[in-house]
Amino acid sequence: DAKTTQPPSMDCAEGRAANLPCNHSTISGNEYVYWYRQIHSQGPQYIIHGLKNNETNEMASLIITEDRKSSTLILPHATLRDTAVYYCIVRVGAHGSGNTGKLIFGQGTTLQVKP
Amino acid sequence: EAQVTQNPRYLITVTGKKLTVTCSQNMNHEYMSWYRQDPGLGLRQIYYSMNVEVTDKGDVPEGYKVSRKEKRNFPLILESPSPNQTSLYFCASSLIFRGRDAGELFFGEGSRLTVL
Repeated sequence: DAKTTQPPSMDCAEGRAANLPCNHSTISGNEYVYWYRQIHSQGPQYIIHGLKNNETNEMASLIITEDRKSSTLILPHATLRDTAVYYCIVRVGAHGSGNTGKLIFGQGTTLQVKP
Repeated sequence: EAQVTQNPRYLITVTGKKLTVTCSQNMNHEYMSWYRQDPGLGLRQIYYSMNVEVTDKGDVPEGYKVSRKEKRNFPLILESPSPNQTSLYFCASSLIFRGRDAGELFFGEGSRLTVL
């Protein structure tokens, strides 16, 4: 599975959109982009995932560039409760070859939402 | 309720005393995995299992063993714990990659282990 690169930290004002970037320049055609977040020392929580089209759910939006080498997680109206570490990972999808089950989380981006 | 359950949640032990951290999931997931989390190092994968009786090493397997005799359970075994295994441990499970429903990981609440 490909490795991802994220900025170590970001700040965002409460009520504003938080845009968290992720670079995955070596992503393969059968790899999905997944985002998780971890609040304090709780277990990471799934947010959203996508392959090549932009995705939106009740928590966030995921924008994937056309070449799929990077993506951006958007929290449209950040609240103080969104303060967390956000992880971007890539993972092989259905029928993907080379699916080893190995996952690399990295250190993620610490998002601090400020009042 | 769909969940991944780890036990114990907190444990203080001494060097060399064998211990097992259990992990159980009730979602019939094929894939299970263990991670450790240390300050400044993020989540690092220890071992994973693609199905019953199928296990493989992650990035930091040294000093750990696992087994997958049943689909729902994936215990992490520390045969001779050392202080450098003091860490926060997470177990996770998921389906095996079936299209759009593939791959969402469900994590347990974590097990904080201290080895003196």
